[in-house]
Amino acid sequence: EVQLVESGGGLVQPGGSLRLSCAASGFTFSTYGMSWVRQAPGKGLEWVSSISGTGVVTYYADSVKGRFTISRDNSKNTLYLQMNSLRAEDTAVYYCAKVRITVAGDLDYWGQGTLVTVSS
Amino acid sequence: EIVLTQSPATLSLSPGERAILSCRASQSVSTYLAWYQQKPGQAPRLLIYDASNRATGIPARFSGSGSGTDFTLTISSLEPEDFAVYYCQQRYNWPPITFGQGTSLEIK
Repeated sequence: EVQLVESGGGLVQPGGSLRLSCAASGFTFSTYGMSWVRQAPGKGLEWVSSISGTGVVTYYADSVKGRFTISRDNSKNTLYLQMNSLRAEDTAVYYCAKVRITVAGDLDYWGQGTLVTVSS
Repeated sequence: EIVLTQSPATLSLSPGERAILSCRASQSVSTYLAWYQQKPGQAPRLLIYDASNRATGIPARFSGSGSGTDFTLTISSLEPEDFAVYYCQQRYNWPPITFGQGTSLEIK
């Protein structure tokens, strides 16, 4: 059974940093691309970033480019999102998701999400 | 960036009725379109990929159709658990991957 479990969310001040983690199990982690998608309170889904199975190729939404860094440790079956220079508009539930095929396609399994709140 | 526009924003129907949700793309996405269901407090769930393929474990009452710029998600006979928000998503031209704004399917 595929499981994705996010952690690392919380309350952070504007300009601060946070690192999210996503522990994966139930599939061959290194074979699949992974993505982060966020959802601001009461809003729709917004793609944030994606990474290839090897970790060599990464993609970012313009809204986070230069501030967020996606990475993975295939030896630990874990996906990460390093978030720097956080802004109020980054407040959202952050989901990690497994990509069905390619680096950043359909997302066939999702974690339960972790809430990031950026506020002073 | 490809913009996906979903209609209607809200759809009010009764259990047993047929639901038809629409997603229109600002330019062709071929058949690289997916549909997700999200219930309150839960993560989204993949329903349909590549416009018309049901994901693993998705009931046959869910079907998808379309190509190019116009797509439809049909729920043939609504069950109580189907009332949720539905999103479409394209993977034809990325980054960025884009989602529609969602259609809220509510009980009438």
